[in-house]
Amino acid sequence: AQSVAQPEDQVNVAEGNPLTVKCTYSVSGNPYLFWYVQYPNRGLQFLLKYITGDNLVKGSYGFEAEFNKSQTSFHLKKPSALVSDSALYFCAVSPSGGYQKVTFGTGTKLQVIP
Amino acid sequence: DAGITQSPRHKVTETGTPVTLRCHQTENHRYMYWYRQDPGHGLRLIHYSYGVKDTDKGEVSDGYSVSRSKTEDFLLTLESATSSQTSVYFCAISDRGSPSGNTIYFGEGSWLTVV
Repeated sequence: AQSVAQPEDQVNVAEGNPLTVKCTYSVSGNPYLFWYVQYPNRGLQFLLKYITGDNLVKGSYGFEAEFNKSQTSFHLKKPSALVSDSALYFCAVSPSGGYQKVTFGTGTKLQVIP
Repeated sequence: DAGITQSPRHKVTETGTPVTLRCHQTENHRYMYWYRQDPGHGLRLIHYSYGVKDTDKGEVSDGYSVSRSKTEDFLLTLESATSSQTSVYFCAISDRGSPSGNTIYFGEGSWLTVV
């Protein structure tokens, strides 16, 4: 069965510092990997995804994520955090090819401190 | 924002009463989903639909039913609401076979409280 682990319930970072939100996954075959962001009382917004190709994926709001197949990881990164980045972040995985079930992690709360 | 509208956005209901949540999309996407979000559990799939009148169970389907009579509408029904069904419910859509792959787009959520 496929699974996603977000090992940190909360990540605190000072404004202007680089941020990393960690995600590891388990899936049969090649993965599709996704990051979503959720602001309070809102739905999840799609940030970026890895399907194939370059291991470094760039997405919305200056975020990027690095796919590492050997470590089965897909960590979300941003070079310089903004207070407005404070939100709940979800990693998700599905097997590649056709329609496949998507599994979400439990989320990591990012707090950017002014 | 994806063209997904959920209604009602907030509802308080009594234990044992039926409740229906509605999801309407304007994207003509084939796949529609209902998830619930609870602290410590992340997002869990309740039911999904892969076409008109074609639905299947997710991982937490007990106590829920769904219907899809039109491409744009996907209804979630709690036949007899229980306190354990107090949650935030999200409708989502995706377009199988498109270049976007399995990217799922979410609605704004429906907050349900069962008292």
